[in-house]
Amino acid sequence: AQKVTQAQTEISVVEKEDVTLDCVYETRDTTYYLFWYKQPPSGELVFLIRRNSFDEQNEISGRYSWNFQKSTSSFNFTITASQVVDSAVYFCALRLNDYKLSFGAGTTVTVRA
Amino acid sequence: DVKVTQSSRYLVKRTGEKVFLECVQDMDHENMFWYRQDPGLGLRLIYFSYDVKMKEKGDIPEGYSVSREKKERFSLILESASTNQTSMYLCASSLRGFRSYQPQHFGDGTRLSIL
Repeated sequence: AQKVTQAQTEISVVEKEDVTLDCVYETRDTTYYLFWYKQPPSGELVFLIRRNSFDEQNEISGRYSWNFQKSTSSFNFTITASQVVDSAVYFCALRLNDYKLSFGAGTTVTVRA
Repeated sequence: DVKVTQSSRYLVKRTGEKVFLECVQDMDHENMFWYRQDPGLGLRLIYFSYDVKMKEKGDIPEGYSVSREKKERFSLILESASTNQTSMYLCASSLRGFRSYQPQHFGDGTRLSIL
């Protein structure tokens, strides 16, 4: 069975601080895909990034960066110089070679001005 | 951009009622999904459809059914609503292919309250 753990339930930071969201996953498959989604207060889940299990390159997109480490089964997400608009619930998800996404419980990020 | 539209943002129904939640996508996606989201549990898959009239059970199908008569529309049905079905319901769609890693695109969600 696959499982995604987001141990941090809530994180509160002051604007311009960096924040790192942890994601640890479990699977016996060698081929899988990892995703991060953002859910702002409006409710819609917004796709941020995907990674396949064969690509361990870290990625940076503006203030967002992702650190994928197969050795520790982790796919962590960092927001640099956080802004109030980053306040949202962030979900990590795992997908095997089928349609099914397994989501973590989510981490609520609150950025205070 | 992909647009997934759910018919209602908020819905209040009574115990025992038959409830329909509608979802429409405009990008000709083959796959459509229904999830429910509860605090501390993340999103859990209720049902999935990979083609018209085709459906598969997800992790928590009990108490729900689905209908997909047209490619763009996927309906979730609560046959006899109960209070433990009060939740946020999210619809999603994606391109097909068991090996496709295309992301799922989500609607805004329907917050359903069963009284």
